[in-house]
Amino acid sequence: SAVISQKPSRDICQRGTSLTIQCQVDSQVTMMFWYRQQPGQSLTLIATANQGSEATYESGFVIDKFPISRPNLTFSTLTVSNMSPEDSSIYLCSAVVGAGNTEAFFGQGTRLTVV
Amino acid sequence: DAKTTQPTSMDCAEGRAANLPCNHSTISGNEYVYWYRQIHSQGPQYIIHGLKNNETNEMASLIITEDRKSSTLILPHATLRDTAVYYCIVRVAYGNTGKLIFGQGTTLQVKP
Repeated sequence: SAVISQKPSRDICQRGTSLTIQCQVDSQVTMMFWYRQQPGQSLTLIATANQGSEATYESGFVIDKFPISRPNLTFSTLTVSNMSPEDSSIYLCSAVVGAGNTEAFFGQGTRLTVV
Repeated sequence: DAKTTQPTSMDCAEGRAANLPCNHSTISGNEYVYWYRQIHSQGPQYIIHGLKNNETNEMASLIITEDRKSSTLILPHATLRDTAVYYCIVRVAYGNTGKLIFGQGTTLQVKP
């Protein structure tokens, strides 16, 4: 299993600023992912955080808006850049331990409000 | 797009079995069926997964039809704490990135 800690748990930010969200896992994981959950909606995958290389983004998400780092096997950051009120969402980190048929674990999320 | 279809919402009486259906008619031979749930304001929680055989763990049972085009998650004795959004997801396990693509899920309301 894996325990995922996200910081901050919530924040209120001014439009036009950027926020970096940290994700720390208590064990080495093979894959890490970032999701967005807009109010009242399901989870949408933003990108796969690749260790030591550029993240793989899903359709509709770009690196300039959501830069992601993953310097090692247990840590990743997601930055929400040049924020607007439409970026108000819960951002969740997820990780997979091992390879193949294994479950994914999720953090408790970062609740972001942009004013 | 998500590959599964689930009812938007369901109700269940406390203490009774909750049966949550999921259709995945385009599932491939190497795709597993996973179930997660999300209790309000928390991250998704893994429940169970299976390929073609029925599976049971301490939380739930998963019944997959023989043609694998649909499945049912069974919570044998639902409690108020089982009130949540339940997501059925098909996922390639091996040789894949391991990512999960979420659909809209079923909101299960367990009532006293």
